[in-house]
Amino acid sequence: QSVLTQPPSVSGAPGQRVTISCTGNNSNIGAGYDVHWYQQFPGAAPKLLIYGNTNRPSGVSDRFSGSKSGASTSLAISGLQADDEAAYYCQSYDGSLSAVVFGGGTKLAVL
Amino acid sequence: QMQLQESGPGLMKTSESLSLTCTVSGGSVNSNYWSWIRQSPGKGLEWIGFIYYSGNTKYNPSFGNRVTISVDTSKNQFSLRLISLTAADTAVYFCARGSTGDFDFWGQGTQITVSS
Repeated sequence: QSVLTQPPSVSGAPGQRVTISCTGNNSNIGAGYDVHWYQQFPGAAPKLLIYGNTNRPSGVSDRFSGSKSGASTSLAISGLQADDEAAYYCQSYDGSLSAVVFGGGTKLAVL
Repeated sequence: QMQLQESGPGLMKTSESLSLTCTVSGGSVNSNYWSWIRQSPGKGLEWIGFIYYSGNTKYNPSFGNRVTISVDTSKNQFSLRLISLTAADTAVYFCARGSTGDFDFWGQGTQITVSS
């Protein structure tokens, strides 16, 4: 049971837009701690996709965007491509646990 | 481009102590925070702790007193020691740059299997 809650899977057709939610509580996201998003392919390390809720590292496509509202955040992927098929994880900090926490991950299928 | 590379034993027995090293290239361990994170099918991604190049550390309380992270600036490396292993410690272990915020550089990960 992960501290941050994500849907186990989402899917979309090529060219479509999908969103992945990440819900926390008043000890983590709701307390104002930043949320970061990662993309992970099988057998590889996670790759930073969004940091500080809405910021993209250099080299990350502008098809990826992040948003935050209260204790919830979302990752949006527009113009879906076949090579977007991967697992996506959100991450924040929990003040009550005094630890970095991750979501359980969402597997994206491009139909 | 900064690169991180984990090295470790691969296979461990229960009750043993695990030692992993992360070698940083294309950058310096100085003036940075460095973390260990693991991933298992059962628990997903789990942050273990971080160290600052000066030696200051912070650990995930869920690991109790089992964890020690150290840094060797002369070798541009940092290390993880995890004692009293159980099967639940079986995971892929990653080293990464960062502390309690985002992690922008990661190693490729090393599989650690704990069996009796």
